[in-house]
Amino acid sequence: ETGVTQTPRHLVMGMTNKKSLKCEQHLGHNAMYWYKQSAKKPLELMFVYSLEERVENNSVPSRFSPECPNSSHLFLHLHTLQPEDSALYLCASSQDDGGVSPLHFGNGTRLTVT
Amino acid sequence: GQNIDQPTEMTATEGAIVQINCTYQTSGFNGLFWYQQHAGEAPTFLSYNVLDGLEEKGRFSSFLSRSKGYSYLLLKELQMKDSASYLCAAMDSNYQLIWGAGTKLIIKP
Repeated sequence: ETGVTQTPRHLVMGMTNKKSLKCEQHLGHNAMYWYKQSAKKPLELMFVYSLEERVENNSVPSRFSPECPNSSHLFLHLHTLQPEDSALYLCASSQDDGGVSPLHFGNGTRLTVT
Repeated sequence: GQNIDQPTEMTATEGAIVQINCTYQTSGFNGLFWYQQHAGEAPTFLSYNVLDGLEEKGRFSSFLSRSKGYSYLLLKELQMKDSASYLCAAMDSNYQLIWGAGTKLIIKP
């Protein structure tokens, strides 16, 4: 398995659906992240978990709900999304040891809300 | 406010050299990252600079000037596989990453 794996790769959902995105990291890292990537825009940090505790929630609408059951797994639960939520959702991990370490990203889930 | 500027798109020729610039304004500074992202794939880490100067890694080099709030990524001996988006990100005093919108690099034969 490669470092950070995201499933599904593509997801089409209606505004009334409920779905979940899954992320798994095999790097032994202790921090995990959800980012939103829209075309021609900077990456937007959504949530950060360090040692399974949520440490960042950047004013993300409540229709996005993260879950981190352990240091290797991260979920993003989606419900009653809007068309403007269509984007690439990237998961990343890093080693949070008080220093600076690069992020390792998954290939993302391409989400389309109809 | 905090901000990163980089060109939206650049075109270069196979075998040539290209320089992708990035200027940043952050509250404090804890280094600057460059990532490469091929279409439909994960961003991958290329370089990290926190001190002034040039860091070389094979065909890729990254430069930082803290006094000017400026960095560039230099790609030599361009190959078709270098066609990708290049993301610049600066880390502020709270260790938060401030991202640019990315530079799409198109390599022509």
